[in-house]
Formats: sequence, C-alpha cells, structure tokens
Amino acid sequence: AQRVTQPEKLLSVFKGAPVELKCNYSYSGSPELFWYVQYSRQRLQLLLRHISRESIKGFTADLNKGETSFHLKKPFAQEEDSAMYYCALSGRGFQKLVFGTGTRLLVSP
Amino acid sequence: DTAVSQTPKYLVTQMGNDKSIKCEQNLGHDTMYWYKQDSKKFLKIMFSYNNKELIINETVPNRFSPKSPDKAHLNLHINSLELGDSAVYFCASSGLPTDTQYFGPGTRLTVL
Repeated sequence: AQRVTQPEKLLSVFKGAPVELKCNYSYSGSPELFWYVQYSRQRLQLLLRHISRESIKGFTADLNKGETSFHLKKPFAQEEDSAMYYCALSGRGFQKLVFGTGTRLLVSP
Repeated sequence: DTAVSQTPKYLVTQMGNDKSIKCEQNLGHDTMYWYKQDSKKFLKIMFSYNNKELIINETVPNRFSPKSPDKAHLNLHINSLELGDSAVYFCASSGLPTDTQYFGPGTRLTVL
C-alpha cells in the first residue's frame, strides 16, 4: 500500500540554522511527490513538487528513489517559516494524494 | 478572485444538530475533495468527487453526506453531530486526482 512517513511531529530550530524535514514514501511505481505548507490558521498551500524542481522561499527537495525519500531542506531558517509541513505522494492511477502526518516546524529567534 | 471558497468559516453548534458546509471552486477543476483535520493536525481525506460522481468514500460515518450539484460545488451535510466531529474541514480541488490540490480556507466546526 502507498504510504508517506514523516517521522518528526515537531522540529524546533533557531533562526539561521539549517532545516531538514524528513519524508519517506512507500510506492512501487513512479512517484510524484509534493510538499504542502500550512501557516497558522490558514489554508494548506503547495510549497513545491518534485517535477518542477523549483526552489520556493529558499526550500528545496530532491527525490531520492533509492532511499524512497523526499526530504525538504532550507539552509537558513527564518521565523516566518514556522508552520505545519505535509509531504504528499501521488502516482499513476492514484485517485487521491496520500498525505503524511505532518511536521510542525518552529523557528525561534 | 478566491479560487476555492468555503462557508461558513466558523460553525458552533450543539450535539445532535444537523449542519452543512458549502464549497465552491472557480478553477474549472473536475475533482473536489473534503478533508478533516483533527486537533493533532492529522489530515484525513473523507470524500472525493470527479465530475459530480463520488469516487472516494474513506470509511466516513453515513451521518456525513456529500453532495455535488455541479462540477464547481461540493457541499457536506452532517446529521446528528457528535463531539468527535469537532475539527477543521477543508475543501480542495484539482484538475486530476494526481495533480496539485488547491485548498479552501477551512471551516472550524465546534460541537458543544
């Protein structure tokens, strides 16, 4: 079965520190991976998806098929990055996105 | 222009009541969804409609009944509300089920 694992419920860092939010997936086909972000009391919004290979707000994520991972990284965290981050998986024939349980990122001054 | 909108934003009601949440999207998408986000921020899909047809029903109690009058609207009616129904309900839409999903602002439901 397809599954997305985000092992950290909470990640707390200081401003300026590097950030890595972990995401592992389970899917035997060719995956499409997404990162969604939810700022406090706001709607979820797409942060980035692997096929676009963009850097959004300084965040990047590389799909590693060997390790079945799609970790989200930022070299220098900012306070405004504090939010819930959800990793999501899709693939050929999927009828929905499969979301992970989310990681709360807290960036302290 | 708001892409995906939901009403109401907040809903406070007593146990046993019946309530509805409305969702509209102006993106021309074929697929719409309802999600429930609980107090621990877990996001669970409830229903998915494609072109007004139900394609996903994720073991949701039958007190919850979605209705899609047309492609741009997906409403959620809840009968006999229970305390455990308190959550934030998000509507979303996408072109295809595998595409990027666009979320509404959420409806915070509190059952007293």
